[in-house]
Amino acid sequence: DAKTTQPPSMDCAEGRAANLPCNHSTISGNEYVYWYRQIHSQGPQYIIHGLKNNETNEMASLIITEDRKSSTLILPHATLRDTAVYYCIVRVSNNQGGKLIFGQGTELSVKP
Amino acid sequence: NAGVMQNPRHLVRRRGQEARLRCSPMKGHSHVYWYRQLPEEGLKFMVYLQKENIIDESGMPKERFSAEFPKEGPSILRIQQVVRGDSAAYFCASSPPGGGRRSTEAFFGQGTRLTVV
Repeated sequence: DAKTTQPPSMDCAEGRAANLPCNHSTISGNEYVYWYRQIHSQGPQYIIHGLKNNETNEMASLIITEDRKSSTLILPHATLRDTAVYYCIVRVSNNQGGKLIFGQGTELSVKP
Repeated sequence: NAGVMQNPRHLVRRRGQEARLRCSPMKGHSHVYWYRQLPEEGLKFMVYLQKENIIDESGMPKERFSAEFPKEGPSILRIQQVVRGDSAAYFCASSPPGGGRRSTEAFFGQGTRLTVV
């Protein structure tokens, strides 16, 4: 699986959009981009994933560049409860499941 | 539909005892993954199981650790002769069987905090 690079930490003002970048320059054509987050001491929570098209759900939007070498997770209106470590993971998506390899992630602090 | 259930949430063991951690996947999920998170560190993959089969155990320590996912009942992560370095949070995740976009989403439990004294 390809490796990802994320900034170790970011701050965001409450109510503003949080834009979390991720570089995955060695991503393969059949690898998806996944985002999870871990709020202090809890189990990781799935946020969103995509292959090459932009994706949106009730939690966030995922913007993937045309060359797929980087992506951005957007939390449109960050709240204090969005303070967490956010993990960007790339892996092959196949019908047999497969493990997720977590890096160090980005520690997002949402401030009032 | 209940989420991934792990128990116990907290477990205290003395050095040399055995620890058994249980994970009940979400209904309809046949893939289970175990992860370990040492204090102040990231999540490390340990093992990936499907019903009655170990698919990938590349992250499991070679000794004292074992995992199973029987045909009936929860998945069990077993640690024999625990040492202080085993103190960590152990998370279980599950995902649906193969096929379709959602088959690759993994849902995590709240973890078991193991403390070895």
